[in-house]
Amino acid sequence: GAGVSQSPSNKVTEKGKDVELRCDPISGHTALYWYRQSLGQGLEFLIYFQGNSAPDKSGLPSDRFSAERTGGSVSTLTIQRTQQEDSAVYLCASQTRRHYEQYFGPGTRLTVT
Amino acid sequence: QKEVEQNSGPLSVPEGAIASLNCTYSDRGSQSFFWYRQYSGKSPELIMSIYSNGDKEDGRFTAQLNKASQYVSLLIRDSQPSDSATYLCAVKTSYDKVIFGPGTSLSVIP
Repeated sequence: GAGVSQSPSNKVTEKGKDVELRCDPISGHTALYWYRQSLGQGLEFLIYFQGNSAPDKSGLPSDRFSAERTGGSVSTLTIQRTQQEDSAVYLCASQTRRHYEQYFGPGTRLTVT
Repeated sequence: QKEVEQNSGPLSVPEGAIASLNCTYSDRGSQSFFWYRQYSGKSPELIMSIYSNGDKEDGRFTAQLNKASQYVSLLIRDSQPSDSATYLCAVKTSYDKVIFGPGTSLSVIP
């Protein structure tokens, strides 16, 4: 079946602009995670959605970052007033209901100039 | 104390040798444990899941879990250059959140 998709695959934006990153998870998966990965670094947890529960936003680095998940499916990560330090690959992962296995999308490479 | 810890490496092994990757976790109530492989420039991919104490084998890969010691490991037998990647340990905590470790970089030398 179809895997996790993310769009756009690459995004170049000017400092101060807002960006929206999209994630389409695997159908039937109840949880969705967003991570950020800078070059040569590990996964940095940002936020996760679990069913109808309130999202865990504990990893969002500043109030410029927000995310929503509509209809328990598609999720959008929004970064307002982008800064150069926001440049990274943003990864979305869809998680199975029973075994908590995560399947990652291809990522969005964000470059802030 | 970080919730999931791994040796950062890099770990270098010769081709054909056994690579041993280790992970410790702090939440004693954790129930599920995962190993992911991430090639440079790619997304992580799940290679092994383990839920019970003991060993679980899948081809050249063996995951080992010891809940009493809060320790999980991944052994790669007959290591190949294509195994060169970063290996991420992940843990499902008692509060149902999955936490990733920082990863161990493995290099298999031909």
